[in-house]
Amino acid sequence: DVKVTQSSRYLVKRTGEKVFLECVQDMDHENMFWYRQDPGLGLRLIYFSYDVKMKEKGDIPEGYSVSREKKERFSLILESASTNQTSMYLCASSVTLRGIRDTQYFGPGTRLTVL
Amino acid sequence: DQQVKQNSPSLSVQEGRISILNCDYTNSMFDYFLWYKKYPAEGPTFLISISSIKDKNEDGRFTVFLNKSAKHLSLHIVPSQPGDSAVYFCAASADDKIIFGKGTRLHILP
Repeated sequence: DVKVTQSSRYLVKRTGEKVFLECVQDMDHENMFWYRQDPGLGLRLIYFSYDVKMKEKGDIPEGYSVSREKKERFSLILESASTNQTSMYLCASSVTLRGIRDTQYFGPGTRLTVL
Repeated sequence: DQQVKQNSPSLSVQEGRISILNCDYTNSMFDYFLWYKKYPAEGPTFLISISSIKDKNEDGRFTVFLNKSAKHLSLHIVPSQPGDSAVYFCAASADDKIIFGKGTRLHILP
């Protein structure tokens, strides 16, 4: 059973703070993804990574950065949090056979509120 | 510019009847399509997928139909069960791109 865990279910931060969202997967998957989910907008891809130390921009990378130092861990960083980054953040992982086309396994999500 | 559209924000279906969720896409480069289901306070879970070389894929109560010429896919759930009440996301992918729709909330009525 694939397990994707996210460090926090709920997080409240202040504008301007640096925020780290951590994601860990236990299935030795090559690919990892960060999305945000907003009402009326669905899931939007922020960044993804095909391998350790590799990263690719998704559709909405502005205001975010990522780090993949180990295969099982993919971190999303908000350098200076802003109120428009209040959202549900979802991490996912997949094996590499078809790359981004593969079935993705999602974590439970982190609901971030920026005040 | 929405490349993947789920035009119905919500849908209510009687238990035991067929649920049909629709999804349209605009980019002909998409060649692999997936449906995910999401319960509140949980991450999405994969439901079923279809490659562009097929027009139908079936898995138990779930069938996905793909009409490439119309750039349209649909998810059929039959018979609908109470546990099917959730938000359903359609996703379309190409080489290095995946785009999700906004989701359709399905309510199964007793």
